[in-house]
Amino acid sequence: SQQGEEDPQALSIQEGENATMNCSYKTSINNLQWYRQNSGRGLVHLILIRSNEREKHSGRLRVTLDTSKKSSSLLITASRAADTASYFCATVQFNTDKLIFGTGTRLQVFP
Amino acid sequence: EPEVTQTPSHQVTQMGQEVILRCVPISNHLYFYWYRQILGQKVEFLVSFYNNEISEKSEIFDDQFSVERPDGSNFTLKIRSTKLEDSAMYFCASSGGDGYTDTQYFGPGTRLTVL
Repeated sequence: SQQGEEDPQALSIQEGENATMNCSYKTSINNLQWYRQNSGRGLVHLILIRSNEREKHSGRLRVTLDTSKKSSSLLITASRAADTASYFCATVQFNTDKLIFGTGTRLQVFP
Repeated sequence: EPEVTQTPSHQVTQMGQEVILRCVPISNHLYFYWYRQILGQKVEFLVSFYNNEISEKSEIFDDQFSVERPDGSNFTLKIRSTKLEDSAMYFCASSGGDGYTDTQYFGPGTRLTVL
């Protein structure tokens, strides 16, 4: 399987609920980043977590990283309709700076 | 807040034609990238560029592709003879530090349609 696979593939929730997306990867990484993409638009950087970090917060976002399980999660608290988008994890391995993207989670937040 | 910009937003071309996609990275950034996303698929790395030369390229980035930084602000991707399978969204990105530890900021993309 591939470096960077998110689950679920799609998630539908009501405004105010929390949304959790997971990302698994196969090889050792230098850092892991989460991006958001609104339909047909560009990629917006959300947060970067380094391999020696376990948790980071940014506003309503919380990211965890478990390098022993090669997995990360993105939690969006108190979701809003404007959070509707696709969310991608992307890993950076050692000795390279290319981003390897996952398959993405499509989040739909209903008002 | 500084942004990466890309032009055009949409390019339609005939198979076999050459296209040039343009990007203006964030002004003090030193590392530049092109990625592409075929409709419904993952974002894929094409090439990274630093100090006026390619630092890494993927298998996709064959002899039909080239990149250039013709002046102090633009970063271009040229596809010499487009194929139908080159139809995709092409994203430019830039980074202020080496990408090992620094964030890559993406432009809004150019949608390339090859007919």
